[in-house]
Amino acid sequence: DAGVIQSPRHEVTEMGQEVTLRCKPISGHDYLFWYRQTMMRGLELLIYFNNNVPIDDSGMPEDRFSAKMPNASFSTLKIQPSEPRDSAVYFCASSHVLNNEQFFGPGTRLTVL
Amino acid sequence: GEDVEQSLFLSVREGDSSVINCTYTDSSSTYLYWYKQEPGAGLQLLTYIFSNMDMKQDQRLTVLLNKKDKHLSLRIADTQTGDSAIYFCAHAGNNRKLIWGLGTSLAVNP
Repeated sequence: DAGVIQSPRHEVTEMGQEVTLRCKPISGHDYLFWYRQTMMRGLELLIYFNNNVPIDDSGMPEDRFSAKMPNASFSTLKIQPSEPRDSAVYFCASSHVLNNEQFFGPGTRLTVL
Repeated sequence: GEDVEQSLFLSVREGDSSVINCTYTDSSSTYLYWYKQEPGAGLQLLTYIFSNMDMKQDQRLTVLLNKKDKHLSLRIADTQTGDSAIYFCAHAGNNRKLIWGLGTSLAVNP
């Protein structure tokens, strides 16, 4: 397996633009997590899914953020409109139902100008 | 509370042992984890320990858990330059949500 795949790896956009981050979890994993990492706040869980259903979205900062998982092999995190304070590294991770080891993707480094 | 606290920086000489400490507040934690993040990469699980264990050893890594004091430590024996990274402590209760520390940046000096 190629591991968790995220795209794009880097994204630079201007304030007000829509940003879509993509994730392909490891095949067979039932859980998918979206995290944001910044120097100031560390690693923050934004939302996680179980069998494509959102379970806990209490970490989503505000209505500008939305996440979907239309099938077991794909998820998106969308920011609309983006703001400079959204600049961070966004990680996707997945895990199997039988254990809690989370496998992380390489992350998307987002810069909002 | 669900806080996890770690010191932010640790510097050691190559060949010495490194000890990274972590304290947490949630006494219901069932699993405790150490993850490693190398520059420009995602986090990778190093090791974990169940809350009913005191110690776990895996090659150069030793995890110690003091459940009474809610203290977790990771010892890396014979630290190498390749061990330079950020080390995250995390714990989980009965759900899938991990509570993370801010990470300890380990610098290994030749």
